[in-house]
Amino acid sequence: GAGVSQSPSNKVTEKGKDVELRCDPISGHTALYWYRQSLGQGLEFLIYFQGNSAPDKSGLPSDRFSAERTGGSVSTLTIQRTQQEDSAVYLCASSQMRGSPLHFGNGTRLTVT
Amino acid sequence: GQQVMQIPQYQHVQEGEDFTTYCNSSTTLSNIQWYKQRPGGHPVFLIQLVKSGEVKKQKRLTFQFGEAKKNSSLHITATQTTDVGTYFCAGIQTGANNLFFGTGTRLTVIP
Repeated sequence: GAGVSQSPSNKVTEKGKDVELRCDPISGHTALYWYRQSLGQGLEFLIYFQGNSAPDKSGLPSDRFSAERTGGSVSTLTIQRTQQEDSAVYLCASSQMRGSPLHFGNGTRLTVT
Repeated sequence: GQQVMQIPQYQHVQEGEDFTTYCNSSTTLSNIQWYKQRPGGHPVFLIQLVKSGEVKKQKRLTFQFGEAKKNSSLHITATQTTDVGTYFCAGIQTGANNLFFGTGTRLTVIP
């Protein structure tokens, strides 16, 4: 595709439920990032994938959060037992390689009720 | 851990006035990138600086990378209402992999 695609664009879930967010990066981009942005706030780094290397998970806020990237392309971010403080926009971005400019998707707005 | 701070957090200017945002890192950066996020949108890449002391211009925007590669600035000359948004710097710590974003500066331009 022409850009980074994220789905769903909006997700409302009940506290305690699990959610899965999907990111389709730009074809050929080896680097993929997940960020979280609360309303009016900055971008909080979550996780970084680079090619076949082990991901950098240092930004994941708790063990309820996990992410995987299959075949070096599509990535899913899973949040288990969601809490209200998980409510935010989750942004995915890809780049050609480490250090290259990031191309962001439109994000998934997660609301935990 | 790496911290990237930006000042000011908010800036309101009259249309036609100049605007500057400053980015400061606690560690040396291998490069610095700048992004603009319009209200309701996602961050969009503006420019990347790599060399110590580098200066780049894009029309009314001037970007600088400090000599020590720990700070950077974005200056907008004669702001327009289309400049409204939040400007983020982002950098990779030397030897690290992930890209950390600054706290951002939200610019409001009053017509």
